[in-house]
Amino acid sequence: AQTVTQSQPEMSVQEAETVTLSCTYDTSESNYYLFWYKQPPSRQMILVIRQEAYKQQNATENRFSVNFQKAAKSFSLKISDSQLGDTAMYFCAFMNSGAGSYQLTFGKGTKLSVIP
Amino acid sequence: EAGVTQSPTHLIKTRGQQATLRCSPISGHTSVYWYQQALGLGLQFLLWYDEGEERNRGNFPPRFSGRQFPNYSSELNVNALELEDSALYLCASSETTSGMYTDTQYFGPGTRLTVL
Repeated sequence: AQTVTQSQPEMSVQEAETVTLSCTYDTSESNYYLFWYKQPPSRQMILVIRQEAYKQQNATENRFSVNFQKAAKSFSLKISDSQLGDTAMYFCAFMNSGAGSYQLTFGKGTKLSVIP
Repeated sequence: EAGVTQSPTHLIKTRGQQATLRCSPISGHTSVYWYQQALGLGLQFLLWYDEGEERNRGNFPPRFSGRQFPNYSSELNVNALELEDSALYLCASSETTSGMYTDTQYFGPGTRLTVL
């Protein structure tokens, strides 16, 4: 079974600064996807970024980028130029694409607060 | 384009009752996933439906069940409610392209179930 670990329950960052959220995972599979989802207080889960394990290039989406280290099974999220609207719970998630089942396995989440 | 919708927003039941939660996927999406987000337990996969069939279920007792209708909307039923069933229930949908499942799941706003 896959596990996803987010070791930082809470983090804070000053507006306009950069913050990195950590995520490690454990799997014996070779084909999989990794995701970061954001859940603001409104509770709607929003996809932030996705990474295909077979791609070496790190995914980027505007101010959001990942550092994907496949050998280390690490998938951190960097948020640049933090904005107040980035305040939310951030969940790292894993999907094993090779097993015929497409459910997401989530970490426990990191609560990020952006301070004005 | 409308996103994933869920109803009701809130649901209050007493122990032993049954709860029915509803989800409408994004137009064109055939797969529906249900997740439970309970305090202290994080997000856990419940059920996956595609083309009207249950494709996979998580580690939940049989009193958690559901179905998918011909229009791809879905219903989650929880029988014999217990206090620990109190949680946010999230529905997500994804599309199938040329018979292949895609990896990205889009979430609805959730139904908050409270069991008294």
